[in-house]
Amino acid sequence: KAGVTQTPRYLIKTRGQQVTLSCSPISGHRSVSWYQQTPGQGLQFLFEYFSETQRNKGNFPGRFSGRQFSNSRSEMNVSTLELGDSALYLCASSRIYSYEQYFGPGTRLTVT
Amino acid sequence: DQQVKQNSPSLSVQEGRISILNCDYTNSMFDYFLWYKKYPAEGPTFLISISSIKDKNEDGRFTVFLNKSAKHLSLHIVPSQPGDSAVYFCAALGRAGANSKLTFGKGITLSVRP
Repeated sequence: KAGVTQTPRYLIKTRGQQVTLSCSPISGHRSVSWYQQTPGQGLQFLFEYFSETQRNKGNFPGRFSGRQFSNSRSEMNVSTLELGDSALYLCASSRIYSYEQYFGPGTRLTVT
Repeated sequence: DQQVKQNSPSLSVQEGRISILNCDYTNSMFDYFLWYKKYPAEGPTFLISISSIKDKNEDGRFTVFLNKSAKHLSLHIVPSQPGDSAVYFCAALGRAGANSKLTFGKGITLSVRP
């Protein structure tokens, strides 16, 4: 069974630009969560989607948004990029009613 | 306010010995706890979990202990192997609302010396 895939793996953007990251969950998984990992901060929860609906949201500004499609694939968007948005963005998927999340390799975003 | 704390940023252990990784939490609504392992340039990998109705869960070389009264859990790796060298994240969640999302600690870097 294929794992969680994320594209692109690496991205360099300039301050003020916007970016869209993509995540394809494991087949059969309908829940997708997004996390931001920065040095010294661990993994911080961005949001969770289930059946195309946002089920939970972390404490991030409105510049961070996401969506989920009917095939469970998910995208997250960051508008008006800031230097502090440089991070590893991780996507995780899980089965319904399961606590165990399976992570993708992440997208390394660098904002210059 | 960090609800899941991994106070030791790193741990170094000799191969074959026991590794004990500690984690503390503050939110009494958490009732399920997980450990993840992360290698560089890879996403975290699920390792082992424990429900709050248990105080111990074992899977091969990995055992997680939960002390609810102390709001403390620990991961024991016995025997430790060089391939165990990675960053280990403790995570917790509750059943409903804002608690139903995974909350991670900042991670512990484990180095197992050959």
